[in-house]
Amino acid sequence: DVKVTQSSRYLVKRTGEKVFLECVQDMDHENMFWYRQDPGLGLRLIYFSYDVKMKEKGDIPEGYSVSREKKERFSLILESASTNQTSMYLCASSLTASGRTNEQYFGPGTRLTVT
Amino acid sequence: DAKTTQPPSMDCAEGRAANLPCNHSTISGNEYVYWYRQIHSQGPQYIIHGLKNNETNEMASLIITEDRKSSTLILPHATLRDTAVYYCIVRVAGSGGYQKVTFGTGTKLQVIP
Repeated sequence: DVKVTQSSRYLVKRTGEKVFLECVQDMDHENMFWYRQDPGLGLRLIYFSYDVKMKEKGDIPEGYSVSREKKERFSLILESASTNQTSMYLCASSLTASGRTNEQYFGPGTRLTVT
Repeated sequence: DAKTTQPPSMDCAEGRAANLPCNHSTISGNEYVYWYRQIHSQGPQYIIHGLKNNETNEMASLIITEDRKSSTLILPHATLRDTAVYYCIVRVAGSGGYQKVTFGTGTKLQVIP
């Protein structure tokens, strides 16, 4: 079974702090994604990566950056946390291969509160 | 990616079939229909996908209309553990490139004892 793990389930940070959210997958997937989920807004894509050191902006990249130094690890960075970044953050990974379904596998999520 | 429309909520009696509809009238010929669900406080979970034929797996069945403008996810014997938000997504699948997925707000299914 694919396993996607996230470093924390719950996190509380102060406004202005630098925040790192880590995601690790164990299935050698090329693609990794960071979403945030807010009530009434569904899941919104922040950033994704289709290869090591490659990254692409999603729909709401402002205030975030990412890092992918190794294939299995994708980090989301909040350079200076703000209260409007209080949210549930979900990491996902998927395989890119001809004929595959390319479904995404999600981690359990990190609920971040910025005070 | 084509946009999808789902009812915001549905109820289903335990043991009965749950039929969750999805409209995707602007779907393109190379776009698949995917279904995911999210149980409270967990990450989304892949359920099933299809292109134009009906599909069935151990979790559910997917019925896609002949014109592909709508589909229905069927949970044949709903249990309390099926209470979740169900997302219908339409996107291109296959080799190469990234696999960006856009989730809407989904259908909140409540299975009632």
